[in-house]
Amino acid sequence: GENVEQHPSTLSVQEGDSAVIKCTYSDSASNYFPWYKQELGKRPQLIIDIRSNVGEKKDQRIAVTLNKTAKHFSLHITETQPEDSAVYFCAASDPYSGGSNYKLTFGKGTLLTVNP
Amino acid sequence: NAGVTQTPKFQVLKTGQSMTLQCAQDMNHNSMYWYRQDPGMGLRLIYYSASEGTTDKGEVPNGYNVSRLNKREFSLRLESAAPSQTSVYFCASRRVLAGGEDEQFFGPGTRLTVL
Repeated sequence: GENVEQHPSTLSVQEGDSAVIKCTYSDSASNYFPWYKQELGKRPQLIIDIRSNVGEKKDQRIAVTLNKTAKHFSLHITETQPEDSAVYFCAASDPYSGGSNYKLTFGKGTLLTVNP
Repeated sequence: NAGVTQTPKFQVLKTGQSMTLQCAQDMNHNSMYWYRQDPGMGLRLIYYSASEGTTDKGEVPNGYNVSRLNKREFSLRLESAAPSQTSVYFCASRRVLAGGEDEQFFGPGTRLTVL
């Protein structure tokens, strides 16, 4: 099955700096890569996603890039704010679970701390 | 519209006891999922249900059973709880839109401790 590696496990930045979280996946047939944010004690929520036919996607201060050749994708957060502090999870769709049999494999998460 | 709800929020069990975690969604989604979250391990899929009447194993199914009671409800049962099952359990349902938007909506979680 799919294997997703996520780095770093913890990341501390100063407010206003940029933060980058990187993930690699094992199966070149995976085609959908979402990112979820989980605030302390809360449920995970989708913040951005990218499909394999796109190299980059932006939504205000967050962006995701995908390198299919290298099988890695990254989350970029610019002008970080204290409210960006959370655990971020990357995920990849299981390429053998198409249609309604859709599954995600998650990375182990990155704890981002934005210091004021 | 409550989204995805889970009960209970917290539970403490003794080794060997059984219990059922309940999950319901009111968004008319076909697919539902059960994950467990452990420190440093991310979200790991236990079981999922692609549609009413079907269930399949995920990455870590041992020690669990599930029931897709109807389109709204998907329950997770621990027949004989073990300390290794101490975790936070999340239920999720999946929305897919014609424009390609694809999102799993998570419930608030159940924090389970097995002594």
